[in-house]
Parts: sequence; C-alpha cells; structure tokens
Amino acid sequence: DSGVTQTPKHLITATGQRVTLRCSPRSGDLSVYWYQQSLDQGLQFLIQYYNGEERAKGNILERFSAQQFPDLHSELNLSSLELGDSALYFCASSVVGGLAGGGSYNEQFFGPGTRLTVL
Amino acid sequence: TQLLEQSPQFLSIQEGENLTVYCNSSSVFSSLQWYRQEPGEGPVLLVTVVTGGEVKKLKRLTFQFGDARKDSSLHITAAQPGDTGLYLCWWGGATNKLIFGTGTLLAVQP
Repeated sequence: DSGVTQTPKHLITATGQRVTLRCSPRSGDLSVYWYQQSLDQGLQFLIQYYNGEERAKGNILERFSAQQFPDLHSELNLSSLELGDSALYFCASSVVGGLAGGGSYNEQFFGPGTRLTVL
Repeated sequence: TQLLEQSPQFLSIQEGENLTVYCNSSSVFSSLQWYRQEPGEGPVLLVTVVTGGEVKKLKRLTFQFGDARKDSSLHITAAQPGDTGLYLCWWGGATNKLIFGTGTLLAVQP
C-alpha cells in the first residue's frame, strides 16, 4: 500500500459525459501528479500540482482539467468524453530531494488507479 | 526532448533463467528510478540510483547506474513468475521534466 488513495476504482460512462476522479496523496506529501495509461500509449504524464498550485503540464487535453484543494486532495475532471479516453488514470505523490553535488531525485508513489471505460 | 530507451521491449523467459533490462539515454541524469507495474495496478518504486557506477541489490534484483549516468540496468537472477510485470525506468528531477522509459514487459513462465 503506497498510501495514495484514488476513487473510484472503476468508472463506466458514455461518450460526451463528464467525470471526476479523486486522489489523496500520502500524508505529508504536497505534490500530486496525474498520469494516463492506455494500451497503446504507455504511461503519459498529464499534470502536477504542488500545494494547491499547478506546477507542470504534460500531455493534458483541453477537455481535461485538475485542481488541488487546501486539504491537498486533487481531482481530475474529464469532460466531453471520447472513446479514446478509456484508460487507466493514476495519481502519484512524491518525495523530492537534493543530491550532494547538485541534481535531485523524485520518487513517485502511485495510487491504485481508476479504470475509465467510455462506451 | 530527453528520452529513456528501454530494451528489450518484451521478454518471455522460463522460471529460473537470468535476464537483464537496459535503460539508455543520450542525456546525463542526476538520478534514476526503477518501477515495476503489475497488470491493472499502479507502478511500485523498486530503487533509486544516484551515483555513477552505483550498484544496488534488492533480493534477486541488481540495479546498476552507468559511470556516466546516462544508462542503467536491471538484472534479475533466477526469475520467478512473481517477477512478471512491466519494468519502467524513470527520471523526474526538480526541473519538472518527467520522463518515463519506454518499458520492458517481462513474462516469466512457470
């Protein structure tokens, strides 16, 4: 158990609909990352929030949005859903540290994922 | 764009065999992580390597970071069916460039 929680576990919906995925990071972690994983695309970084603010954006569609709340949980909103949005969606929180001599490391702890099926 | 190329892409072996998975880049990284992902579950962190030439062992898994910090390898000794999964190398430094390797899908047949 990574300590990262995600709900719901499964979500089935129709094209054109809107859904919200929820994530709570590990206790004490300020960052939340969202990833999409489909069979043909691998693990794709979507967006990162740090202490309530957007920190980095990856391959996130304009139909998707996210936010992080004061209690640090995050929600990923997917709208105007298309068949191609069917995928596993993971969130992660991280431990970031500096290294002697410069550089850094970023260890990600992933939640169990939400499997979204768009019919 | 920085990329982490993994090889092989797929590997199917018999229980008891040894194998090595490679993660290569043309860029220098301050650290690399290795993850294993089982079907339908989130990736799980296995190890972080930070020093060129570093070798870390996790039971039957041996991780090595190249001297120039451009590559890394994962060696599994006497593979077991429980080792089956997707192995990913990953770099995510503070510059927020989050880079996952292309992945190696390992199947260990009993």
